[in-house]
Amino acid sequence: NAGVTQTPKFRVLKTGQSMTLLCAQDMNHEYMYWYRQDPGMGLRLIHYSVGEGTTAKGEVPDGYNVSRLKKQNFLLGLESAAPSQTSVYFCASSFPPRGGPGNEQFFGPGTRLTVL
Amino acid sequence: AQSVTQPDIHITVSEGASLELRCNYSYGATPYLFWYVQSPGQGLQLLLKYFSGDTLVQGIKGFEAEFKRSQSSFNLRKPSVHWSDAAEYFCAVGKYGNKLVFGAGTILRVKS
Repeated sequence: NAGVTQTPKFRVLKTGQSMTLLCAQDMNHEYMYWYRQDPGMGLRLIHYSVGEGTTAKGEVPDGYNVSRLKKQNFLLGLESAAPSQTSVYFCASSFPPRGGPGNEQFFGPGTRLTVL
Repeated sequence: AQSVTQPDIHITVSEGASLELRCNYSYGATPYLFWYVQSPGQGLQLLLKYFSGDTLVQGIKGFEAEFKRSQSSFNLRKPSVHWSDAAEYFCAVGKYGNKLVFGAGTILRVKS
């Protein structure tokens, strides 16, 4: 049981390049999330998904796209990277909050992205 | 709008001393509150959570937190800190649909 895994762990891009970050989970969670972490700002939600084939915008979605073609995978894309997207990106997953409070989110180890 | 404030950016305590990390939240309804810990280079791990019931919540690694509605606070405590507790700690409030709003984090340093 690997939990939540993220690929790659590190990446350096030049401004304008594109890339895709992959998140995979083996816990059969319906919900998946992408966050970015910046110093002094905590984690901010970029996009999330409540099930296969669905995606929704979070707090800071501009410049990012996502896809959830399979239940276990959640992809985060940067079509034209900008230096402002230099950050650490975390993926998380959870069961849905069925009829009550939220459920624990399980986090991946993160991807450190630098855009020059 | 929901928000979480962690007033202390850095805290340094001596090993064996007690610890309290502060968290204040702003939320219109009954809050779902969480504390996560992040060790260097790692993802976030859940320490404890509060949904309802007893306002003193026990978590892993000897941590506890107390929910005080009148003060809009959810402070994290540990009676005796170990060097391995050095990490960054995040308070978060849960929104509808299981989304989380995080505080900016508090970095804990432990001196021997």
